[in-house]
Amino acid sequence: AQKITQTQPGMFVQEKEAVTLDCTYDTSDQSYGLFWYKQPSSGEMIFLIYQGSYDEQNATEGRYSLNFQKARKSANLVISASQLGDSAMYFCAMREGGGAQKLVFGQGTRLTINP
Amino acid sequence: DVKVTQSSRYLVKRTGEKVFLECVQDMDHENMFWYRQDPGLGLRLIYFSYDVKMKEKGDIPEGYSVSREKKERFSLILESASTNQTSMYLCASSLLGLQETQYFGPGTRLLVL
Repeated sequence: AQKITQTQPGMFVQEKEAVTLDCTYDTSDQSYGLFWYKQPSSGEMIFLIYQGSYDEQNATEGRYSLNFQKARKSANLVISASQLGDSAMYFCAMREGGGAQKLVFGQGTRLTINP
Repeated sequence: DVKVTQSSRYLVKRTGEKVFLECVQDMDHENMFWYRQDPGLGLRLIYFSYDVKMKEKGDIPEGYSVSREKKERFSLILESASTNQTSMYLCASSLLGLQETQYFGPGTRLLVL
């Protein structure tokens, strides 16, 4: 069963605008972690931000913040003041608690920032 | 900084060939992973390993095998390459722990003719 869903295959945003990338997840675990990664056209995966299921505050890292709504099982990434260099694929991922250390990824969202 | 390296950026092989993809990490991470990435499907886990000589099947292990003889090295093997294994292959490593991020290599783009 799909555990991570990213419903936006592509998004186009004007430079300097804020953008929200959607991510919903499904798990029966109480303990889990949520990650966002950026993949530029060069191909490398870059870690952006992490949110733990027990974290009471939304995670923030510079221009990135995670809008974590536990009851709705959503973990949207918000990029403030977008820049041309933000154009990339963005992936949401989840790790469940317990023994397995693997991540489950969503399908990704291709973000294009227009000048 | 963590460094994960993969043996090739681009690889072209013929159907039926045995293919080895090598991955090396330099940060003494316990966990190592192999994914394949295809458009519209995101990253799918092929195999992972949480210790030397240990391996676990991921979501799509068919047609692949792995080897981890040393902690820093995790190899993906395509025993008999097929055209449907044309893809981008990404290796990653991480420490143990719920909050630990995975660090990725640059990827190998494999074309099977």
